[in-house]
Amino acid sequence: DGGITQSPKYLFRKEGQNVTLSCEQNLNHDAMYWYRQDPGQGLRLIYYSQIVNDFQKGDIAEGYSVSREKKESFPLTVTSAQKNPTAFYLCASSRDRRTDTQYFGPGTRLTVL
Amino acid sequence: QQQVKQSPQSLIVQKGGISIINCAYENTAFDYFPWYQQFPGKGPALLIAIRPDVSEKKEGRFTISFNKSAKQFSLHIMDSQPGDSATYFCAASMEGNSGGSNYKLTFGKGTLLTVNP
Repeated sequence: DGGITQSPKYLFRKEGQNVTLSCEQNLNHDAMYWYRQDPGQGLRLIYYSQIVNDFQKGDIAEGYSVSREKKESFPLTVTSAQKNPTAFYLCASSRDRRTDTQYFGPGTRLTVL
Repeated sequence: QQQVKQSPQSLIVQKGGISIINCAYENTAFDYFPWYQQFPGKGPALLIAIRPDVSEKKEGRFTISFNKSAKQFSLHIMDSQPGDSATYFCAASMEGNSGGSNYKLTFGKGTLLTVNP
């Protein structure tokens, strides 16, 4: 069963704590992306990775960090520097960096108390 | 600066009616225009996409109309059904600069469609 998995589905953290969101894909895709979704704001790009061991900042990277040590995995860390971390986080992948179609995971809803 | 403007924010349609969602873009370098459908608590799923070399693309009840000169594109859902109730996002992307190019999607803010039975 191929696809993108994100875990956990719901995550609660106290203010000031770092938290890492998992994203795994078994589609053999080279490119992976992290988006943040807020009500009425659409999807905004946080970070993206075109290939293993490489990643670039998106439009709203401040307060976030990523790693891409394996092709299948692209974890996102929400740090304490992110001023408003409560949101719905979506991971996506595409076949390669020049392929248009992005496939999304089911998302993780992060709530910071 | 919002590069893709989507309207309306919300739309209520009766079953069997036509749903129309519009998007306008500013960057003439955009060359790929997908529409995504998202149900509550789920990730978006690609619905249909178009490139600027055609003015219309149809897949089942879903049609994209594209007007390159006006820099506008729209999604038409014919014979709308309650199961179509979801949030719809338009998006646009373009080839990036050489040496680091990739397709980055720029999304509209979404339209919440409700189809009443």
